[in-house]
Amino acid sequence: DGGITQSPKYLFRKEGQNVTLSCEQNLNHDAMYWYRQDPGQGLRLIYYSQIVNDFQKGDIAEGYSVSREKKESFPLTVTSAQKNPTAFYLCASSPRAMGGRMNYEQYFGPGTRLTVT
Amino acid sequence: EDQVTQSPEALRLQEGESSSLNCSYTVSGLRGLFWYRQDPGKGPEFLFTLYSAGEEKEKERLKATLTKKESFLHITAPKPEDSATYLCAVHGSSNTGKLIFGQGTTLQVKP
Repeated sequence: DGGITQSPKYLFRKEGQNVTLSCEQNLNHDAMYWYRQDPGQGLRLIYYSQIVNDFQKGDIAEGYSVSREKKESFPLTVTSAQKNPTAFYLCASSPRAMGGRMNYEQYFGPGTRLTVT
Repeated sequence: EDQVTQSPEALRLQEGESSSLNCSYTVSGLRGLFWYRQDPGKGPEFLFTLYSAGEEKEKERLKATLTKKESFLHITAPKPEDSATYLCAVHGSSNTGKLIFGQGTTLQVKP
């Protein structure tokens, strides 16, 4: 089955530790995205990548880092510099183009809930 | 600045009581308006894409419509399993693939 997987579902870390969240897709999508979701604040874009070996900062990139070495994978590292890392993290992918037309539909993974104490 | 506003924030319906959710948007050069359903603790599930004013899409009890300023998600004879948060997002004229999301409408359908 094609889809997006995120692991783990729940993650607990101590303050001051870096942590990496996994995101893998087998949809052959070009673009991948990382969002953060907090209660009452909707989805906020952290980083996005439109092609392998290239990525751009989103609206709240401070304290986060990413890599895009493979088309299928877009891991997110939450560093100790992120002041409020406890949140629900969502990864998404998008085909970008389909049938000769740009397609911006995004498909989401199940999410990782990170708790930092 | 591109912006999306959803209303109401929360909606409670009795089973079978039809209603509509609103998504108002301001965007330069709309290249897609997207509706998602999100259950608690899960990732958003894609529902519809609308590209131009007058376009309509349907799926089971849901029907999405689009005008030049807003979109409606009509829910006909809802069932308790339709309870979820419904998110609206837009993509503007940039080629970044970035979506602007609204805050969502949380729907509760009581049996």
